[in-house]
Amino acid sequence: EIVMTQSPATLSVSPGERATLSCRASQSVSSNLAWYQQEPGQAPRLLIYDASTRATGIPARFSGSGSGTEFTLTISSLQSEDFAVYYCQNYNNWPPCTFGQGTRLEIK
Amino acid sequence: EVQLVESGGGLVQPGGSLRLSCAASGFTYNSYAMTWVRQAPGKGLEWVSTISGSGGSAIYADSVKGRFTISRDNSKNTLYLQMNSLRAEDTAVYYCAKGPRSANNYNWFDAWGQGTLVTVSS
Repeated sequence: EIVMTQSPATLSVSPGERATLSCRASQSVSSNLAWYQQEPGQAPRLLIYDASTRATGIPARFSGSGSGTEFTLTISSLQSEDFAVYYCQNYNNWPPCTFGQGTRLEIK
Repeated sequence: EVQLVESGGGLVQPGGSLRLSCAASGFTYNSYAMTWVRQAPGKGLEWVSTISGSGGSAIYADSVKGRFTISRDNSKNTLYLQMNSLRAEDTAVYYCAKGPRSANNYNWFDAWGQGTLVTVSS
């Protein structure tokens, strides 16, 4: 099973600043990686798939990069609605598909 | 607009059974794999099971294999999860999610329901 490790666990950033979230896979997942946003009490929402392709309706301030074992989600200028928990997901080798443990993005 | 609406959650005793449903609309249902993902209280996301668009192929997480059965009725645009021999560690919000293709692999999840809470407790 591929283990996905996200860092940091919590990231404190001021509105308008850039946030960089990391996700590392225990072995190569090629570019088969997705990112999700989950606001409190809500279902997850797909942001990025294939490591760098924005999902329909996702603002351009969200971008994904990386391949192999190292991936990054960047939010270029944080808006109030961006403070949430973010998960990465590997879909390269399954079953099982695996999620990272999440990064909580909080207001500084 | 894609809509996924789960139902069937509730309180059940250890060893009991429950069947979850997910009603889908807004897309050609039989063309897409469907998945159940769960989230224990205060925890992260855990993939549970995925079924292909035709319903002919299903895969399961080891933690539920032999106890849970995923199925779908394409005439009713509905996904199911039959959960037997429930344990306390199955307590979670269960989400249904839509995949990007019919095959039940290499899936990300581009639409999610609001979730239904399953509590396993005596």
